[in-house]
Amino acid sequence: GQQLNQSPQSMFIQEGEDVSMNCTSSSIFNTWLWYKQEPGEGPVLLIALYKAGELTSNGRLTAQFGITRKDSFLNISASIPSDVGIYFCAGRPSGSARQLTFGSGTQLTV
Amino acid sequence: DAGITQSPRYKITETGRQVTLMCHQTWSHSYMFWYRQDLGHGLRLIYYSAAADITDKGEVPDGYVVSRSKTENFPLTLESATRSQTSVYFCASRGTDSNQPQHFGDGTRLSIL
Repeated sequence: GQQLNQSPQSMFIQEGEDVSMNCTSSSIFNTWLWYKQEPGEGPVLLIALYKAGELTSNGRLTAQFGITRKDSFLNISASIPSDVGIYFCAGRPSGSARQLTFGSGTQLTV
Repeated sequence: DAGITQSPRYKITETGRQVTLMCHQTWSHSYMFWYRQDLGHGLRLIYYSAAADITDKGEVPDGYVVSRSKTENFPLTLESATRSQTSVYFCASRGTDSNQPQHFGDGTRLSIL
């Protein structure tokens, strides 16, 4: 199946720092989604991206759909303790009705 | 508003037993999905369904059976559980448009002894 490489796998940061994580693929994607998962819960959608080059914000979170359509970035500014969790990227490959492929997640500790 | 609910939240069973995990959504979403989440693998798609009575295999379907007799329910059955099926299982749903994001339940933690 499609492979998504998400990095870093984990991050330990100080409160107030900015955070960056990204996902890359060898294939072109039509949709990029970013989810956050907290312990004992399911992933919750943070940001959805549908066009190459699109830059979308949700509070302190900003995500971008890469121009090549093979990558996406998530930035968190001025991190706070409640940002702790696992962040997943997910993408829908172009063509047919393929379902989402998920990255392996970035564990964020503040 | 319940949205999407999974039951049970926790289950312990023995190798060889049959186990059914339930998923119920109140949005009338056409698509429903089952994933398993394991350390180092992220979320892997087991089965999905585009509508009632329509199901398709995902990335890791072996050892699992699904059915969708009603739009709102999508049960996942392990007919003869194995230890390798110990995992956290998530159900998700979305509308007809493939660009719509999936919304997830809170998961079922399944342990097979």
